[in-house]
Amino acid sequence: KQEVTQIPAALSVPEGENLVLNCSFTDSAIYNLQWFRQDPGKGLTSLLLIQSSQREQTSGRLNASLDKSSGRSTLYIAASQPGDSATYLCAVRVGRGSTLGRLYFGRGTQLTVWP
Amino acid sequence: EAGVTQSPTHLIKTRGQQATLRCSPISGHTSVYWYQQALGLGLQFLLWYDEGEERNRGNFPPRFSGRQFPNYSSELNVNALELEDSALYLCASSLTGNTDTQYFGPGTRLTVL
Repeated sequence: KQEVTQIPAALSVPEGENLVLNCSFTDSAIYNLQWFRQDPGKGLTSLLLIQSSQREQTSGRLNASLDKSSGRSTLYIAASQPGDSATYLCAVRVGRGSTLGRLYFGRGTQLTVWP
Repeated sequence: EAGVTQSPTHLIKTRGQQATLRCSPISGHTSVYWYQQALGLGLQFLLWYDEGEERNRGNFPPRFSGRQFPNYSSELNVNALELEDSALYLCASSLTGNTDTQYFGPGTRLTVL
């Protein structure tokens, strides 16, 4: 069964810092990996999706990398801002048999960026 | 372009009642997914519908059921509500059911008293 772990569980940093959030997964046979952002009590906003054949994706100040063989992904946030404060979730998609269609989520990293 | 919409925003029920939650996918998307986010448990996969058919379900009892309509909107029904069903229920849609990005709605907060 696929298990997704995110480290750290919480992170509090001053504005302007560059951040690295970590995600690891146990089954390397994934279709893709997605990073989401969730504000308190809200739905999920998709940030980046990396297909299994890709090594990284970039969007603005965000860069996500994928090392499928070692079961790891990192989300890099450059020049953090208070508006980046949210919970960041990592999810992987495995496409075999009973796991078809579903995303497996980590518990998230709760990020606080203070001015 | 409108995103995934869900209704109602909040739902309060008592134990033993039934709850119905609704989801409208992004226009052109044929796959709809349901997830439960209970406090302290993280996001758990519930159901996946594609082209009107149930394609997969997670580890939930049969009192969690749903359907997808011809216009690809979906309904999640929870019968015989229990206190532990209190959670944020999130719906997502994707263009197809394979490897496409899943886009999430704002969720329905279900509270069971």
